[in-house]
Amino acid sequence: KAGVTQTPRYLIKTRGQQVTLSCSPISGHRSVSWYQQTPGQGLQFLFEYFSETQRNKGNFPGRFSGRQFSNSRSEMNVSTLELGDSALYLCASSLKREVGEKLFFGSGTQLSVL
Amino acid sequence: TQLLEQSPQFLSIQEGENLTVYCNSSSVFSSLQWYRQEPGEGPVLLVTVVTGGEVKKLKRLTFQFGDARKDSSLHITAAQPGDTGLYLCAGYNAGNMLTFGGGTRLMVKP
Repeated sequence: KAGVTQTPRYLIKTRGQQVTLSCSPISGHRSVSWYQQTPGQGLQFLFEYFSETQRNKGNFPGRFSGRQFSNSRSEMNVSTLELGDSALYLCASSLKREVGEKLFFGSGTQLSVL
Repeated sequence: TQLLEQSPQFLSIQEGENLTVYCNSSSVFSSLQWYRQEPGEGPVLLVTVVTGGEVKKLKRLTFQFGDARKDSSLHITAAQPGDTGLYLCAGYNAGNMLTFGGGTRLMVKP
């Protein structure tokens, strides 16, 4: 069974540009969540999607957005990139939305903003 | 502000030593998870604890959830170089959001 796939693996952008990251969950998983990981702030929750609806959102500005498609694949978009957006962006999928549910993480997209 | 505080942040030990990592919060969590992350990879779930006072063992790793469900610990017996990595605790709150601690970076030297 294939794991969570994130593309691209690495990305270099300049300030002011926008970027779209993609996440394909494990087959059959309907919940996808996104996290930002930086050395200073650690892992921070961005948002969660289930059945194409955003269910939870973390404390990030509106420049960060996402969506989920009918096949559960998800994308996140960051507009007007800032230097501080440089981070590892991780996607995780799970079968359901229950407390204590096991999350399966992808290897992440390393975004560098110059 | 981190709702989950992990200590220590860094730990460097020799192979064969024992260690304990702590995860503390002023908030109550409905469940708490421990993950391990290796460089260039996403976190991998090690265990989920749900009941206050619960103890779970995974080979040489022992996980404990505090009675009040506000804290947890991870104890590794006879650490091996393969245990090297970033250990993360994470708690589910009532809103079904998962909050991560800052992590403990462990290095086990042969």
